[in-house]
Amino acid sequence: SQQGEEDPQALSIQEGENATMNCSYKTSINNLQWYRQNSGRGLVHLILIRSNEREKHSGRLRVTLDTSKKSSSLLITASRAADTASYFCATDAADSGAGSYQLTFGKGTKLSVIP
Amino acid sequence: DSGVTQTPKHLITATGQRVTLRCSPRSGDLSVYWYQQSLDQGLQFLIHYYNGEERAKGNILERFSAQQFPDLHSELNLSSLELGDSALYFCASSTSGGGHNEQFFGPGTRLTVL
Repeated sequence: SQQGEEDPQALSIQEGENATMNCSYKTSINNLQWYRQNSGRGLVHLILIRSNEREKHSGRLRVTLDTSKKSSSLLITASRAADTASYFCATDAADSGAGSYQLTFGKGTKLSVIP
Repeated sequence: DSGVTQTPKHLITATGQRVTLRCSPRSGDLSVYWYQQSLDQGLQFLIHYYNGEERAKGNILERFSAQQFPDLHSELNLSSLELGDSALYFCASSTSGGGHNEQFFGPGTRLTVL
């Protein structure tokens, strides 16, 4: 079942512009992770933000987390053509009593950066 | 390069057949997770192994099974294959079974069932 829902489903911007993608989820989480996937390839881990964190930066990436609204956003600044990919948020449940933190993925946002 | 390897990269087979997908986690990682990515279902968790023991099962069909060996590599066995099993299969590894750990994904195995 899908827990995270990314918005928008697709986003097309010019190189140099900022791209913002949003993710909403349904249940309490332990942490939230963002991944990038180039067409048909593997998932690349971008950033992990814990449930007690509100904002995190990594290079041109900025992630925010609002647990009261059960939502997160990923901002890519000064986008490049190489950022063209699908972006997924993934959450793991806060009550993973079995000691398993499997990820639940959203359907992803397809980002196209036009040179 | 995540450090997680998967073989084979591509697999084409016929309905009714059985295949084995292999995953080697990053050095030192004890956890291996298997995921399936299909066009209609998206990315779905299948099963999790930690240090050789099964920890959790997700949307895994009874025709599918997995194991993790003493050297920590894992295999996903898919049997009585159907057309709908065509998908990308990913494994991911993480340091422990606990939370707050990133999961690093392999490049995936693309399975095509004809």
